[in-house]
Amino acid sequence: DAKTTQPPSMDCAEGRAANLPCNHSTISGNEYVYWYRQIHSQGPQYIIHGLKNNETNEMASLIITEDRKSSTLILPHATLRDTAVYYCIVRDPGGATNKLIFGTGTLLAVQP
Amino acid sequence: DTEVTQTPKHLVMGMTNKKSLKCEQHMGHRAMYWYKQKAKKPPELMFVYSYEKLSINESVPSRFSPECPNSSLLNLHLHALQPEDSALYLCASSLRGGTSGRTYEQYFGPGTRLTVT
Repeated sequence: DAKTTQPPSMDCAEGRAANLPCNHSTISGNEYVYWYRQIHSQGPQYIIHGLKNNETNEMASLIITEDRKSSTLILPHATLRDTAVYYCIVRDPGGATNKLIFGTGTLLAVQP
Repeated sequence: DTEVTQTPKHLVMGMTNKKSLKCEQHMGHRAMYWYKQKAKKPPELMFVYSYEKLSINESVPSRFSPECPNSSLLNLHLHALQPEDSALYLCASSLRGGTSGRTYEQYFGPGTRLTVT
């Protein structure tokens, strides 16, 4: 699986959009980009995933650049409950194991 | 029911004790996972079960012994642990264990916080 790079921490004002970047410059053509988050002392929570096209669900939007070397997770209206560590993970569907390999993630602090 | 439950929430055990962690899901998922998470670090995969069979052991010491008695239950038996094994132990499940051509989201439980004294 390709390696990802994320900023260690970010701040965001409550009610504003939070844009979390992820660099995955070595991603291969069939690898998906997944995002999970982990609120303090809880288990990780699946947010969204995508391959090439932008994706949106009730939690967030995922924007993947045309060359697929980077992506941005967007939380459109951040709340205090969105304070968490956000993990960007690149996964290969060709494997038979469904392994998740977590990087160090980005600690998003939503400020009141 | 879209929940993965783990018991106990907290566990304190001595180095000579034997204890077990339990994980349960009723989503019909056929893959289950154990992760270990030390403080301020990301989760690290320990074991993967697919269709009740152990498919991955990430070189975990034998003092950790997983068991999958049925498709809904996953246990982690602990024996002769060391203080450095103190961590948050997370269980997860997914619909399948992974097949060529697609991946599956994993759903995590809240974890068991283990302290070894």
